[in-house]
Parts: sequence; structure tokens; C-alpha cells
Amino acid sequence: DVKVTQSSRYLVKRTGEKVFLECVQDMDHENMFWYRQDPGLGLRLIYFSYDVKMKEKGDIPEGYSVSREKKERFSLILESASTNQTSMYLCASRTFLRGTFYEQYFGPGTRLTVT
Amino acid sequence: GENVEQHPSTLSVQEGDSAVIKCTYSDSASNYFPWYKQELGKGPQLIIDIRSNVGEKKDQRIAVTLNKTAKHFSLHITETQPEDSAVYFCAAEALISNFGNEKLTFGTGTRLTIIP
Repeated sequence: DVKVTQSSRYLVKRTGEKVFLECVQDMDHENMFWYRQDPGLGLRLIYFSYDVKMKEKGDIPEGYSVSREKKERFSLILESASTNQTSMYLCASRTFLRGTFYEQYFGPGTRLTVT
Repeated sequence: GENVEQHPSTLSVQEGDSAVIKCTYSDSASNYFPWYKQELGKGPQLIIDIRSNVGEKKDQRIAVTLNKTAKHFSLHITETQPEDSAVYFCAAEALISNFGNEKLTFGTGTRLTIIP
């Protein structure tokens, strides 16, 4: 079974802190994604990576950065956390073969509270 | 970019009845339409998907229909059971490159409650 793990289920940080959210997948997937989930807004893509060291901005990248130094690990960084970044963060991964769609596998999520 | 709208935002259905969730999309290039189910405390999980060369797909009690002309697709759940209670998300994606740098655009979700 594909497994996507996230470093924390719950996290509480103070305004201005630098926050790292880690995601690891064990299926050698090429693509990895970071979403945030807010009530009434669904899943919004922050950043994604289609290969090691490759990254692309999603729909709401402001205030975030990412790092993918190894294929299995994709990190989301909040350089200076703000209260409007309080949210549920979901990581996902999927394989890629040219011309074909594949399922995204999601982690359980990290609920981040910034006070 | 792609815009996906999903309705209704909440839906309550008597156990055993059918539930229908509808989505519309804006980008005519989209050709892949998955549906994800999110149970409490878990990440979303794919339950069914459809590609643009198909009008309907069924998997036991779940079916998805696609109307490319009207740019809308729907999820149908028949004979609903308590375990169907969850949040459902539709999504759309266009496969346009060979580099794997496409992305899904999700709808805003539907909270489905099955009343025993």
C-alpha cells in the first residue's frame, strides 16, 4: 500500500516563527503536492513538485516556499507564520507516466494553528 | 486557469435513498475528472474517476457521468449507507504535457450526511 506520512498531526506556532511541514512517501512517486484545506474553500494547491529539485507554484503560493532535495520527501516552509496561515495542510503524491493520469495519494493532514 | 464549481455544499439523505453531487468546470482542455472522499480525520481518497472519452462509469453503488459539451460532471451514489457520510470533492485536470507538471483543480466539497 502507498503510504504518505506527514511529520505532525497537530502543530501550534507563534506569529513570526519559521515553520517546517514535512511529507514523506514510500512509493517512489515523481509528483508531490501541498494543499491547504479551509471550510468552504475546498483544497487549494500551494506548491507542487514534478521531480526532485523541481517545483512549481500552485494557486496560493504567497507566504510559502518548498524544498524537494530527495524524491521521497517534500517540505513546506512558512518563512514567517501569520494567523491567516492557520489551516489544515495536506500533502499528496502520485506517479507519472507520459500520457496517463494516476491517483493522488494523500497524507492524513497537519492541522496548524498560528497564534 | 481552471475553475471547478461544486454543488451542493451540504446534502442530507435518508439511508437507502440516492445522492447526487454536481460539478462544472471552465477549461475545455480538461480531460480527467476524479472524485475523492474524505472521512473524518483522514486525507481524501479516490473513489472513482472518468476520462473525457467516456460518458459514464459505474463501480457498484457509485457512478459518475460526464457531459463535455456542457462542461459538467456528476457523482451518483445509490442505496446510501451510513458509511457514505463524508466530504466529497470533485476535481478536473488537463493532460497537456509530457513532463508530469499538470495539476488537479478541486471543487469546494460537499458534506454528505446519511440519516439512519
